[in-house]
Amino acid sequence: AQSVTQLDSQVPVFEEAPVELRCNYSSSVSVYLFWYVQYPNQGLQLLLKYLSGSTLVKGINGFEAEFNKSQTSFHLRKPSVHISDTAEYFCAVSESGAAGNKLTFGGGTRVLVKP
Amino acid sequence: EAGVVQSPRYKIIEKKQPVAFWCNPISGHNTLYWYLQNLGQGPELLIRYENEEAVDDSQLPKDRFSAERLKGVDSTLKIQPAELGDSAVYLCASSLGGTGRNEQFFGPGTRLTVL
Repeated sequence: AQSVTQLDSQVPVFEEAPVELRCNYSSSVSVYLFWYVQYPNQGLQLLLKYLSGSTLVKGINGFEAEFNKSQTSFHLRKPSVHISDTAEYFCAVSESGAAGNKLTFGGGTRVLVKP
Repeated sequence: EAGVVQSPRYKIIEKKQPVAFWCNPISGHNTLYWYLQNLGQGPELLIRYENEEAVDDSQLPKDRFSAERLKGVDSTLKIQPAELGDSAVYLCASSLGGTGRNEQFFGPGTRLTVL
């Protein structure tokens, strides 16, 4: 069975500072990896995804993530955050293959951007 | 293009009452998902439909929860009777295909409060 661990439940950060959100996963097969963002009282919106190919993935709103197979990690980064980046961020994994459309989410990281 | 639509957005009921949530997926999306999101946690899959067939309902508490997707489009999730522990956000998502590569698009959710 697959699992996802987001190591930080909350990350306070000052505006224009960089941020990194950590995500580690566990799976016995090849995986696809996703980062979603959830703004207050809204559904989840996809930031970026890794399916194959280049391990550095660029997404919307200036976010990027790097897939590291040996460390089973998929950390999310942004070089300079804005107040509007205040939200909850979820890392998710799905397994390739027949059962591959089940998304397993981490517990989320709440980012609070301070002025 | 319209996104995933859910109603109601908020629902407050007393325990032991029934409740139903409705979801309209993105047009053309054959795969539909219902997720449960408890406060401060990531979403957990309850049930997945491929067209009108429930292909994964292993996490659905079948003693009180039921779901249907008539004609393979809209879906309804029902709880009868509701318990205090059912207070959560119920998210609906849809995707164009049934593999792990396909992006899932989420609705805004229904926030259920059971008193």
